Amino acid sequence: GDSVTQMEGPVTLSEEAFLTINCTYTATGYPSLFWYVQYPGEGLQLLLKATKADDKGSNKGFEATYRKETTSFHLEKGSVQVSDSAVYFCALSDKIQGAQKLVFGQGTRLTINP
Amino acid sequence: EPEVTQTPSHQVTQMGQEVILRCVPISNHLYFYWYRQILGQKVEFLVSFYNNEISEKSEIFDDQFSVERPDGSNFTLKIRSTKLEDSAMYFCASSPDRGSNQPQHFGDGTRLSIL
Repeated sequence: GDSVTQMEGPVTLSEEAFLTINCTYTATGYPSLFWYVQYPGEGLQLLLKATKADDKGSNKGFEATYRKETTSFHLEKGSVQVSDSAVYFCALSDKIQGAQKLVFGQGTRLTINP
Repeated sequence: EPEVTQTPSHQVTQMGQEVILRCVPISNHLYFYWYRQILGQKVEFLVSFYNNEISEKSEIFDDQFSVERPDGSNFTLKIRSTKLEDSAMYFCASSPDRGSNQPQHFGDGTRLSIL
């Protein structure tokens, strides 16, 4: 079945550092890919998405490019801030299967120190 | 911005009791979902709901679970005869339709603790 694998956390960086969180997937169809973020005490918020190969999703300085050849959707940000501290989830939704259920990775906890 | 609302934020229940988790999806959304996250594990799909019926359910969603849209605004998850392993964070989500370019919007979750 479909699956998503994220890099192990936790990740701790200093403010203004470059961030990469790796995400790879396996899917039987042609999935859409998402990054969700969960701030402390809150629910899952959509950060960005990409619906087809070579699409780049971007939001709040974060970017991720849908790479079909490497089945990857790595999250990047050039200069992180303390306010980016959260848990980040990579997810896919397979277009071919029935209802649009999301399949999530295990989440990566990011802590940014001032 | 409209949001998905879940109540209660934390529910503590004795093992064997029934519990109902409540959700108010975004008003013009048509598809509704429940997910759960056991502490330290992945967020897992439980069930999707459209047009007053279940459209898909996972292996987790057995006869112990049921969903209902009792009125025009609420969407509930009922867990009968709760077990210790039902302790988890339960998330409700909704989307305008099922197209993959329509992302799901999540509530803040209900933390369910079974004693």
